[in-house]
Amino acid sequence: GAGVSQSPSNKVTEKGKDVELRCDPISGHTALYWYRQSLGQGLEFLIYFQGNSAPDKSGLPSDRFSAERTGGSVSTLTIQRTQQEDSAVYLCASSIRTHTGELFFGEGSRLTVL
Amino acid sequence: GENVEQHPSTLSVQEGDSAVIKCTYSDSASNYFPWYKQELGKGPQLIIDIRSNVGEKKDQRIAVTLNKTAKHFSLHITETQPEDSAVYFCAASKDGGATNKLIFGTGTLLAVQP
Repeated sequence: GAGVSQSPSNKVTEKGKDVELRCDPISGHTALYWYRQSLGQGLEFLIYFQGNSAPDKSGLPSDRFSAERTGGSVSTLTIQRTQQEDSAVYLCASSIRTHTGELFFGEGSRLTVL
Repeated sequence: GENVEQHPSTLSVQEGDSAVIKCTYSDSASNYFPWYKQELGKGPQLIIDIRSNVGEKKDQRIAVTLNKTAKHFSLHITETQPEDSAVYFCAASKDGGATNKLIFGTGTLLAVQP
């Protein structure tokens, strides 16, 4: 498809386990973002990748969270030793680095930590 | 850092009435203000945006106004229809599209009653 693709769409895990969430951005988009959507908390910025520049990790909530982007395309968000408060929808977005400012979001990965 | 507050958290209107959602931002350097609409189970989609050199922008039934002095901006939807029912997010950025790193409000659940 032409849109941002995320997998898995749903993930249920036990507290303490590690999880990986994947994002395939729109082809040709150089910028990629991860946001977290918790109930009643809006969209919380996590991390931003732009081309070959160093990522902006200022939104990662703890050192249990990390993300990488291989080959300037696919990105993986990893959460180690998951906690119940990590339960949320994790949204990925991509954009062309132009003046329009539009982010194209995927449908998200819903993470439930039991 | 930037902080964006959004009100109300929920809004119910009758079909055909107008709906207004308000946001305030904290960083006077912010210069780009988009609005996103999120339907159930989907990722947010851009519906309209405004830059700090403009006070108002319209697109059919939706309009956005910006008051830089007061640091607030609003979304206006006229002649609401049931398909307008969704969660609406405001956002602010001080990059004007250069990096597209957006700080979002907490969202407004709009319900349009037929």
